[in-house]
Amino acid sequence: DIQLTQSPSFLSASVGDRVSITCRASQGISSNLGWYQQKPGKAPNLLIYAASTLQSGVPSRFSGSGSGTEFTLTISSLQPEDFATYYCQQVNSYPLTFGGGTKVEIK
Amino acid sequence: EVQLMESGGDLVQPGGSLRLSCATSGFTFSDYYMDWVRQAPGKGLEWVGRSRNKANNYTTEYAASVKGRFTVSRDDSKNSLYLQMNSLKTEDTAVYYCARHVCHSGRCYASDIWGQGTMVTVSS
Repeated sequence: DIQLTQSPSFLSASVGDRVSITCRASQGISSNLGWYQQKPGKAPNLLIYAASTLQSGVPSRFSGSGSGTEFTLTISSLQPEDFATYYCQQVNSYPLTFGGGTKVEIK
Repeated sequence: EVQLMESGGDLVQPGGSLRLSCATSGFTFSDYYMDWVRQAPGKGLEWVGRSRNKANNYTTEYAASVKGRFTVSRDDSKNSLYLQMNSLKTEDTAVYYCARHVCHSGRCYASDIWGQGTMVTVSS
């Protein structure tokens, strides 16, 4: 199985900050990775697919990069509504797997 | 509007069975792969299983933790996805989400639409 390791697991930041979250895969997955945002009590929401393609309707302050084993989700200027937990998911091979999550909280 | 709505979550004893349903609307259900994803209380997301679309003969895939106990099925005439859960364990306690997964030309991308989830509690 492909393991996805997210870092950091917890991030404290202020409104307006630039923040980056890393997702490392235990083996190469090309660009077969997505990023999701989840707020408490809600379903996940797709932000990025194919490592760097912005999902329709998602603000342009979100961006994704990487391929192979290392991927990054960047929020260029953190907004109040961005405080949430973020997950990466690999869709390269079965079983599909998620990273452990990164919780972004207000400093 | 594209919508997914899960139902069927309940309190069940260990060893028991439960069937979850996911009713969909607003898109051509038979064209899409569909996934079940779960989230234990206070924990992260775990992919559970998949039904491929009609063009791929409705074949299925499962996580090792549920293989042999859970079955994903679908009824395209009812635009619905199902998860039959047997031999339930306490560790199956979670919110269960159904999700539409986008795949084109042999490549899959991500789950772009999710339901609101249904809670399954396995306890004596």
